Amino acid sequence: DTAVSQTPKYLVTQMGNDKSIKCEQNLGHDTMYWYKQDSKKFLKIMFSYNNKELIINETVPNRFSPKSPDKAHLNLHINSLELGDSAVYFCASSQGYSGSDTQYFGPGTRLTVL
Amino acid sequence: AQSVTQLGSHVSVSEGALVLLRCNYSSSVPPYLFWYVQYPNQGLQLLLKYTSAATLVKGINGFEAEFKKSETSFHLTKPSAHMSDAAEYFCAVSGRSGTYKYIFGTGTRLKVLA
Repeated sequence: DTAVSQTPKYLVTQMGNDKSIKCEQNLGHDTMYWYKQDSKKFLKIMFSYNNKELIINETVPNRFSPKSPDKAHLNLHINSLELGDSAVYFCASSQGYSGSDTQYFGPGTRLTVL
Repeated sequence: AQSVTQLGSHVSVSEGALVLLRCNYSSSVPPYLFWYVQYPNQGLQLLLKYTSAATLVKGINGFEAEFKKSETSFHLTKPSAHMSDAAEYFCAVSGRSGTYKYIFGTGTRLKVLA
């Protein structure tokens, strides 16, 4: 069983389009995250939800909107895609919301904007 | 603000040689520290973490790391490199209060030579 899964794995789209990435975890965790990994492999947190409540919202363009329908799911919707949005997006989850909690990562979604 | 610095974006070792990947942190109080590994086209997997229980932390796949407060370091080592260790390694720091988010280093790509 995949602990943290993401769909799709690859996403190729044109500038200006709107797209969504879905994430699901079957670990029973309370906290979920979205990260962006750029072409230089730099990883940066974008959002975090704890029990469906937004707790971290980094300096991310408001074209990015996370949605957590329940504790097991955290989706990322991106409006008006730009070239600079091309990256690998990782979903992660952790049992709770504390500094020592281990985060479990999904396999990533490679987004290419043409 | 917390940060981590990984010295050496690329490290090459011979198979069977010692692996040493360097990580230095900056934090006003002892933080939580993590090492993650990323194999090509995969998500991140936890190798080990420091949560103050013991300064020498043993992880999976024969890796270990030692927390040295006086040097603000958390270097990752493995006595004998294996070809399967070739991957990207990330050090991350998280705080004990405030916003509990991982701050990742820029990563070190480990190459193992036959």
